[in-house]
Amino acid sequence: AQTVTQSQPEMSVQEAETVTLSCTYDTSESDYYLFWYKQPPSRQMILVIRQEAYKQQNATENRFSVNFQKAAKSFSLKISDSQLGDAAMYFCAYRSPYTQGGSEKLVFGKGTKLTVNP
Amino acid sequence: DTAVSQTPKYLVTQMGNDKSIKCEQNLGHDTMYWYKQDSKKFLKIMFSYNNKELIINETVPNRFSPKSPDKAHLNLHINSLELGDSAVYFCASSGRYEQYFGPGTRLTVT
Repeated sequence: AQTVTQSQPEMSVQEAETVTLSCTYDTSESDYYLFWYKQPPSRQMILVIRQEAYKQQNATENRFSVNFQKAAKSFSLKISDSQLGDAAMYFCAYRSPYTQGGSEKLVFGKGTKLTVNP
Repeated sequence: DTAVSQTPKYLVTQMGNDKSIKCEQNLGHDTMYWYKQDSKKFLKIMFSYNNKELIINETVPNRFSPKSPDKAHLNLHINSLELGDSAVYFCASSGRYEQYFGPGTRLTVT
């Protein structure tokens, strides 16, 4: 079974600075997807970024980028120019390849609470 | 137009009662899920349905019974509610790449 580990329960960053959230995972599959979700106090789960394991290039979405190290099974999230609105719980998640069968559940890490200080 | 909607958003009830949470998606997806987020914010899969067929049942107590009348709807019925059932329940709908979550239902059992 796949597992996802986020070793930083809490992190803090100064506004406009850069912060990196860590995530490691364990799997025997060679093809899979990795995600970072953001959960603000409103509790809505918001997709931040997606990485396909077969792609060597790291995904980037505006101020958010990942460092995907497949051999090391590491998937960290870098937030540049941090803003007050970035304060939230961040969850790393693993998903098996799409099969159209409905078995592609998300396996989540325990989350990292990010505080942004003004 | 909301992609994945859940009702109600908040549910407060007493132990022993039976309650239902409804979920609807307008994304045309075949697969829908229920996740539970506990008091420590840990999210875990409960069920998945593909085109009205149960695919995943992650050792959830029999008191929880999902029902999918059609592929756009996945409801969750909970019998004989217990204090430990207090949590946030998320419905999700899955496309090829991503899962889209509903706003969550905060269930409080007193």
